[in-house]
Amino acid sequence: AQKVTQAQTEISVVEKEDVTLDCVYETRDTTYYLFWYKQPPSGELVFLIRRNSFDEQNEISGRYSWNFQKSTSSFNFTITASQVVDSAVYFCALSESPYKAAGNKLTFGGGTRVLVKP
Amino acid sequence: DSGVTQTPKHLITATGQRVTLRCSPRSGDLSVYWYQQSLDQGLQFLIQYYNGEERAKGNILERFSAQQFPDLHSELNLSSLELGDSALYFCASSVEVGTYEQYFGPGTRLTVT
Repeated sequence: AQKVTQAQTEISVVEKEDVTLDCVYETRDTTYYLFWYKQPPSGELVFLIRRNSFDEQNEISGRYSWNFQKSTSSFNFTITASQVVDSAVYFCALSESPYKAAGNKLTFGGGTRVLVKP
Repeated sequence: DSGVTQTPKHLITATGQRVTLRCSPRSGDLSVYWYQQSLDQGLQFLIQYYNGEERAKGNILERFSAQQFPDLHSELNLSSLELGDSALYFCASSVEVGTYEQYFGPGTRLTVT
């Protein structure tokens, strides 16, 4: 069975500090997909990034960066120079191969609440 | 705006009642998913439909049912409601083939009193 663990329940930082969110996953599949979603106070879930298990290249997109390490089953997310608008709950999620009969449901971690203070 | 619409936004009802939540996927998306977000269970997958057919089932109670119609919109029916069913219910959609990210609607907040 697949499982996603976000050990940090809440992180509080002052604006302009960097924030790194940890995500550890478990799966028996060799093909899988990892995601980060953001849930701001308004409640909607916003897709941020998708990575497949064959692509360990880390990426930087603006103030966001991701560190995927298959050897440690981790998919960490960093916000550089945080802003108040980054305050939200961030979810890491895992989906196994969509070609399986079980479909491609997302298994979410418990979420990490990020509070950025001015 | 993800392009996924959900109605109603809020729903308050009494125990024992039945409600229907509605979802319209993004234009072109064939797959619809339903998730439940509650304080004690977190975000949990309920059910997936693809082009009108049930594709996968998660932790969905027998009192709950869903369907996807020919125009691809979906409805989630919750019956014999209990206090513990109070939650935020999300619908998501994806193209599925070749694209796997799911785009979420704004959710329906259900309060059972």
